[in-house]
Amino acid sequence: DAGVTQSPTHLIKTRGQQVTLRCSPKSGHDTVSWYQQALGQGPQFIFQYYEEEERQRGNFPDRFSGHQFPNYSSELNVNALLLGDSALYLCASSLGPRGETQYFGPGTRLLVL
Amino acid sequence: ELKVEQNPLFLSMQEGKNYTIYCNYSTTSDRLYWYRQDPGKSLESLFVLLSNGAVKQEGRLMASLDTKARLSTLHITAAVHDLSATYFCAVGPQAGNNRKLIWGLGTSLAVNP
Repeated sequence: DAGVTQSPTHLIKTRGQQVTLRCSPKSGHDTVSWYQQALGQGPQFIFQYYEEEERQRGNFPDRFSGHQFPNYSSELNVNALLLGDSALYLCASSLGPRGETQYFGPGTRLLVL
Repeated sequence: ELKVEQNPLFLSMQEGKNYTIYCNYSTTSDRLYWYRQDPGKSLESLFVLLSNGAVKQEGRLMASLDTKARLSTLHITAAVHDLSATYFCAVGPQAGNNRKLIWGLGTSLAVNP
């Protein structure tokens, strides 16, 4: 049973560039949430996708956007990268937006220079 | 806005000892999660607590929830080195809604021989 997968594992970008991160949910799950975790901090909720729509959004600017595909996989896009966007980006999947537990992928570590 | 506070943030303990990590949250919620994170790794779900008075145990870890006091505890019994990790609690802001988990800063636990 495949768990949550994310790609790439590591990424280095420069300020102003754009980045796309990808996530495949755990088999049978249809809801994907994205989190940003800065070093030494707890995860911060970015947004959640269900039925190919953004269902809820955290306190992140419009530079952060996403998409969910019919196969439930998801992308996180960040435009005009800032140094402060350097973080571990985690994808979590659940069964339905009210699913009891979110299962996390291994994360993508983004470094912005 | 929902706030989640954990204490202590850092904990160094000897093998064989017992200790408790506390998680306080500021507004009503009936869903509380405990996750474990190893350095450089993703988040592993430990417990989901869904109702007042809920208690769950797995190995040397036991979690409890008091929704009236807005307090959850994670108790460690006879600690072993393998328990060294960062432990996060996370709370859903509304009943039955996990769209936006709010996370504590984490408790970094080091178990020493």
